[in-house]
Amino acid sequence: DARVTQTPRHKVTEMGQEVTMRCQPILGHNTVFWYRQTMMQGLELLAYFRNRAPLDDSGMPKDRFSAEMPDATLATLKIQPSEPRDSAVYFCASGFVSDGTALAKNIQYFGAGTRLSVL
Amino acid sequence: KNEVEQSPQNLTAQEGEFITINCSYSVGISALHWLQQHPGGGIVSLFMLSSGKKKHGRLIATINIQEKHSSLHITASHPRDSAVYICAVGKSGQGNLIFGKGTKLSVKP
Repeated sequence: DARVTQTPRHKVTEMGQEVTMRCQPILGHNTVFWYRQTMMQGLELLAYFRNRAPLDDSGMPKDRFSAEMPDATLATLKIQPSEPRDSAVYFCASGFVSDGTALAKNIQYFGAGTRLSVL
Repeated sequence: KNEVEQSPQNLTAQEGEFITINCSYSVGISALHWLQQHPGGGIVSLFMLSSGKKKHGRLIATINIQEKHSSLHITASHPRDSAVYICAVGKSGQGNLIFGKGTKLSVKP
């Protein structure tokens, strides 16, 4: 059945190391979102793409985070260098948005998340 | 003040009880979403509303645009309903969702 696939599911790394998280959106979806969830802040948007073009990455610390969609089947979120405060669960979600439809008026399908621990 | 507020933060109920979770927001919106996050961490979209009421099985979601308020109701609650329920709104003119902090529901047998 169609689902959003995220890898890895868990990642433990040391401060200063590069972390790459990957997301395979549901085939045919044209919008991809990256979220971060922490106990303190809850779910927060980091970045999102439509038709592989970045539309908003204002929620992302630009000095260390980068998000890309090299092709329609792969989205990546990189942290370099990682810091302990980056420890969180990172979710990818995808959806299909028709032209002229408000982005928020569409269902998002979430991946299982990547649990990141930076020591 | 958060733009999306949920209440209560935590809720414990006995199996069979009728449950209500509330969401208030302070901005103009294009849509409101209710999400369910299971203890294992997975997030599932339950409803997307822009007006009125929607029903799916034992779940009912309502929204009052004038009062900037939405409720999620669960009838005949069951232990498998135990999860965190998250309200999210899409601000008018913007693309992204803004999330509430969630309501943790525990239904005891």
